[in-house]
Amino acid sequence: GAGVSQSPSNKVTEKGKDVELRCDPISGHTALYWYRQRLGQGLEFLIYFQGNSAPDKSGLPSDRFSAERTGESVSTLTIQRTQQEDSAVYLCASSPQWGNTDTQYFGPGTRLTVL
Amino acid sequence: AQSVTQLGSHVSVSEGALVLLRCNYSSSVPPYLFWYVQYPNQGLQLLLKYTSAATLVKGINGFEAEFKKSETSFHLTKPSAHMSDAAEYFCAVSVTGGGNKLTFGTGTQLKVEL
Repeated sequence: GAGVSQSPSNKVTEKGKDVELRCDPISGHTALYWYRQRLGQGLEFLIYFQGNSAPDKSGLPSDRFSAERTGESVSTLTIQRTQQEDSAVYLCASSPQWGNTDTQYFGPGTRLTVL
Repeated sequence: AQSVTQLGSHVSVSEGALVLLRCNYSSSVPPYLFWYVQYPNQGLQLLLKYTSAATLVKGINGFEAEFKKSETSFHLTKPSAHMSDAAEYFCAVSVTGGGNKLTFGTGTQLKVEL
């Protein structure tokens, strides 16, 4: 079946502009996660959604970052007034349920470059 | 808070040689541990995971890892490296009460030489 998809695959923007990154999870997966991967660093948790529960936003680095999810489908990560330090690969993952041992299935990522 | 340390950002082995990628964790509660692999221009793929059952975990592509509580380690091994194993490998941890978010190490780039 189809895996997690993300769009765009690459995004180049100018400092100060807003960007939207999209994630389509695997159909039927109730949990969705966003991570950030900066060059030479490990993945950094940003936010996750579980069904209709309030999202865990504890990893968002500033109030310029926000994310939404419609039901158990598409999610959008928005970065307002982008800064050069926002340049990274943004990865989305989904899992069938919400549990510590559930496998997270990752998309290919969106590479964001802020000039 | 939990954390993961991967010793060696780059590891190089000869084809057919043993692969050993090191991962040590820090957690005040029992951890769940994962190894993911990332091939160029692809998303992360789960290799194996430790979920508090057997301490020796076997994964895909001939990889295995052993959970050693006394050493707070979860090293990844493969008896014989293949050229197709060249990729970046990430160790990650999650804990009960910490949400289902994964805390990742900084990754180890594995190079396999002829």
